Amino acid sequence: DMKVTQMPRYLIKRMGENVLLECGQDMSHETMYWYRQDPGLGLQLIYISYDVDSNSEGDIPKGYRVSRKKREHFSLILDSAKTNQTSVYFCASSSSLGNYAEQFFGPGTRLTVL
Amino acid sequence: QQNVQQSPESLIVPEGARTSLNCTFSDSASQYFWWYRQHSGKAPKALMSIFSNGEKEEGRFTIHLNKASLHFSLHIRDSQPSDSALYLCAVSNTGYQNFYFGKGTSLNVIP
Repeated sequence: DMKVTQMPRYLIKRMGENVLLECGQDMSHETMYWYRQDPGLGLQLIYISYDVDSNSEGDIPKGYRVSRKKREHFSLILDSAKTNQTSVYFCASSSSLGNYAEQFFGPGTRLTVL
Repeated sequence: QQNVQQSPESLIVPEGARTSLNCTFSDSASQYFWWYRQHSGKAPKALMSIFSNGEKEEGRFTIHLNKASLHFSLHIRDSQPSDSALYLCAVSNTGYQNFYFGKGTSLNVIP
């Protein structure tokens, strides 16, 4: 069963605390993504990873960093979280085989920074 | 950078109606065009895709692409309350790299 998982599903943090969001996939997809989704703004790409230790900034990387040490696992780290990072974060994965790879999304993590 | 715009922002239609959602893009080199559907509180999920000019039908859903006009659309025949969701269009130059998503059209189908 093709699946993308995210942990935790809900998280409340105080401003200045560090945040770790984790994502896993069981499809051996090379490419993984982190997005945030805010009302009226759609999905904004934070980082894209093409494989282990091969990461590139997306459109809004400031305030975030990522880690990918295993193909099936991709982490998003917020060092010293800010209130404007309150959002729903989605992880996605896709295969680089073929030219029309569908992105499979995880269920999302709702992060609130107080 | 790609600029992807969707219209309308929101839509309310009666059950059984035909619904049309629009997406325009700015990069003429775009090659891959997707519609994703996101039910409230859920993850986006791919609905349909098209990679060449023309039309593609899958059940009640039809996607139409006109690359020269930098435009593609999603048409839903016999809309159902279960179709109520946020519809996101996405465009890519290469299938496995950046997708550029529109901000979405919120569809509400009234029974």
